[in-house]
Amino acid sequence: HLVQSGGEVKKPGASLRVSCTTSGYTFTDYHITWVRQAPGQGLEWMGRVGGLSVDRKYSQKFQGRVSMTTDTSTNTAYMDLRSLTSDDTAVYYCARGGRGSLDPWGQGTLVTVSS
Amino acid sequence: DVQMTQSPSTLSASVGDRVTITCRASQTISYWLAWYQQKPGRAPKLLVYKSSSLQGGVPSRFSGSGSGTEFTLTISSLQPDDFATYYCQQYDSYPYTFGQGTKLDIK
Repeated sequence: HLVQSGGEVKKPGASLRVSCTTSGYTFTDYHITWVRQAPGQGLEWMGRVGGLSVDRKYSQKFQGRVSMTTDTSTNTAYMDLRSLTSDDTAVYYCARGGRGSLDPWGQGTLVTVSS
Repeated sequence: DVQMTQSPSTLSASVGDRVTITCRASQTISYWLAWYQQKPGRAPKLLVYKSSSLQGGVPSRFSGSGSGTEFTLTISSLQPDDFATYYCQQYDSYPYTFGQGTKLDIK
């Protein structure tokens, strides 16, 4: 079970943090992957982080602007994205898995970037 | 990056029809392919992993096949609950790219 933080409205240039709190499995045994979906568009893989926060892989598209971390005390994963533009308006999903298929998924967090 | 191309982009079908969605990879990905179903306003749901392995709880009318660069998802007899958008995803090499999606709607 993955539960994400609530929707947010951000201004261009701001930073974003989305959380993903997990339950029902051993958090450190799995990666968490982040995927986003712009309005009316397909799915875009952003990157993944290991449960212990030391094994990270980011899409080159977001390199330098994204950071994915975990907190093992709360079984929560975080995705930080900086320097937001309107192109970052999307639903952001976390999902369990990092070297294979993704299951289950969080419910999604709608992020709107607008001045 | 590995490009994933699905066809068709839209598919109109009726309850009871057999439908097939194709996913092609721009380079070989062995059998490292998953299929997801997504309904409006909902998160994607894993249907098939490793090209042909059915995820637990997924009805047996769904099946996947293929290896290398060409893959298919088949629904043997469409049910009303199956009208949704379907995505393939390769997990052979980073970044783990998705196809653009196939929207399956009611004829």
